[in-house]
Amino acid sequence: AQSVTQLDSHVSVSEGTPVLLRCNYSSSYSPSLFWYVQHPNKGLQLLLKYTSAATLVKGINGFEAEFKKSETSFHLTKPSAHMSDAAEYFCVVSAPFGNEKLTFGTGTRLTIIP
Amino acid sequence: DAGVTQSPTHLIKTRGQHVTLRCSPISGHKSVSWYQQVLGQGPQFIFQYYEKEERGRGNFPDRFSARQFPNYSSELNVNALLLGDSALYLCASSALPRDSAYEQYFGPGTRLTVT
Repeated sequence: AQSVTQLDSHVSVSEGTPVLLRCNYSSSYSPSLFWYVQHPNKGLQLLLKYTSAATLVKGINGFEAEFKKSETSFHLTKPSAHMSDAAEYFCVVSAPFGNEKLTFGTGTRLTIIP
Repeated sequence: DAGVTQSPTHLIKTRGQHVTLRCSPISGHKSVSWYQQVLGQGPQFIFQYYEKEERGRGNFPDRFSARQFPNYSSELNVNALLLGDSALYLCASSALPRDSAYEQYFGPGTRLTVT
């Protein structure tokens, strides 16, 4: 069984300040982990993915995430928030092989304050 | 190349009716998955199809069914609609089902409202 817990349902930051969205995972095996972003009235877009290679993963739009097995965490960060980053963010876990089922967290709504 | 397309965009149905949602994957993708996203929640896995065969099923009642066609497009069918079926239905496609680094590409979704 696998699951993810997003620790904050809503995060607000000022434009130009760092962003931290927290995610903890639970998995019986070495998981694949993803962060997806969903802008209002738009589909889900993959930000980045971890698949047992480098533990620090860089994604699009300046986002990155670090896989920490000892803490079972996969937090998403960005050094400087931009107004266009305002969206819903989902932490996602999947089985490593032969199973395409993605298990989503409940989401974190990121608000950017001008 | 076109991304994942879904039709219709919006749909309003009455309780007890039946609905069919359609999805066309990215060209060359043979795997299609369906997800239900209720307002305020993360998407929940419903089905995965590869090469016209069901490869995975989530915890949904038998009122939900799906199929994949020879051109890899897919339909999701829901019978005897309930108010709780109101949601955004997302379709995702991917190239290979057994690649640990696979990516799933999502369509814009179909917004179903049951009244």
